[in-house]
Amino acid sequence: EVQLVESGGGLVKPGGSLRLSCAASGFTFANAWMSWVRQAPGKGLEWIGRIKSETDGGTTDFAAPGKGRFTISRDDSKNTLDLYMNSLKTEDTAVYFCSTELDLELGIGDYWGQGTLVTVSS
Amino acid sequence: SYVLTQPPSVSVAPGQTARISCGGNNIGDVNVNWYQQRPGQAPLLVIYYDNDRPSGIPERFSGSNSGNTATLTISRVEAGDEADYYCQVSDSNTDHRVFGGGTKLTVL
Repeated sequence: EVQLVESGGGLVKPGGSLRLSCAASGFTFANAWMSWVRQAPGKGLEWIGRIKSETDGGTTDFAAPGKGRFTISRDDSKNTLDLYMNSLKTEDTAVYFCSTELDLELGIGDYWGQGTLVTVSS
Repeated sequence: SYVLTQPPSVSVAPGQTARISCGGNNIGDVNVNWYQQRPGQAPLLVIYYDNDRPSGIPERFSGSNSGNTATLTISRVEAGDEADYYCQVSDSNTDHRVFGGGTKLTVL
């Protein structure tokens, strides 16, 4: 059974930092491109960024809201994905999901965790 | 950046057909995925690559994509289909994943 389990969410003050983690199981994590997607309360889905597989260079890419403030890393030996968030703003308040990116050739399905809530407030 | 436009809401009676549009510049040139999200749950892929269904998704769900509009069609709508639906593409310029604003499907 595929599982993605996020952790690390919580309350943080504006300007603060937070590290979110995602533990993966049930698929070949090392082959997967992994994304973080967030959803502000009552709002739609917003892609934050991704990290490619090490086979494809292990590079990261970010959408505008996280560029320069967020970092993504992966540990294929532990099947874990991390999102480091710095200089947090109130508008970063959201549920943060980790997800795989569909890759039929490699047999990677589209999987999502249940999300972890980050609240940025003074 | 690439923008996807969805109607905020669509309403349909049980047993009827729901159509949810997703507009984008030359969206017909890229693959479109559709997600269903029920309250408090993670998104669930219901259509990928314009019109393919993942295992376990009913045949009632189908998609089309041409020109500047992609469409998710749900036939014989059931109460359990009530959810938010999001289209998603990869921006061909940046390779970023882009989501539409979402459409709330209400089953009357």
